[in-house]
Amino acid sequence: GAVVSQHPSRVICKSGTSVKIECRSLDFQATTMFWYRQFPKQSLMLMATSNEGSKATYEQGVEKDKFLINHASLTLSTLTVTSAHPEDSSFYICSAGLPTLNTEAFFGQGTRLTVV
Amino acid sequence: QKEVEQNSGPLSVPEGAIASLNCTYSDRGSQSFFWYRQYSGKSPELIMSIYSNGDKEDGRFTAQLNKASQYVSLLIRDSQPSDSATYLCAVNRGRRGGATNKLIFGTGTLLAVQP
Repeated sequence: GAVVSQHPSRVICKSGTSVKIECRSLDFQATTMFWYRQFPKQSLMLMATSNEGSKATYEQGVEKDKFLINHASLTLSTLTVTSAHPEDSSFYICSAGLPTLNTEAFFGQGTRLTVV
Repeated sequence: QKEVEQNSGPLSVPEGAIASLNCTYSDRGSQSFFWYRQYSGKSPELIMSIYSNGDKEDGRFTAQLNKASQYVSLLIRDSQPSDSATYLCAVNRGRRGGATNKLIFGTGTLLAVQP
């Protein structure tokens, strides 16, 4: 399957600071990428759809000013968690692919964010 | 009602047995269905995709889809301890020529294969 690389895999930051997470598609061009968040023992919750060259589409209840998404190229999307708080601590996962109904999404390795 | 529902488990099966994982979805217009496996602390990896009614087999895995019943299942034959993981059912909310394709996940079923 396609390769999606996410960086960093693990980050610890202080409350009030911002953290940037990168998601790269390594062997294909991704006009659309997706950002998920997963709390312990819960499922993946879609946060937003990242669209190359345009604004991201956020799911209901997700603060767009807190979770900044930039998709400046066909191979890179970034998620910035601004003014992080301990409740933002979670596993953040990006995916790419899924341009049509009958294609698959591939996931990055995930980023474990801990806000202290 | 959740869009995608799974029994959280744990589902415990002995090594060598068949594990049966089930999923129901609420949006009758859904077109594409996926099973992902997720080990603790890792991101999901695709196991199977299925797009039409019936069975689809790949090695020890068989996915079954029944759109009339809005039901998707995954069978794992000859279960191995290494199959122990959380299995996530995902449904593509998109439509032909319509809304953006995006995956909605169930809460996952924890499978434990006992040696």
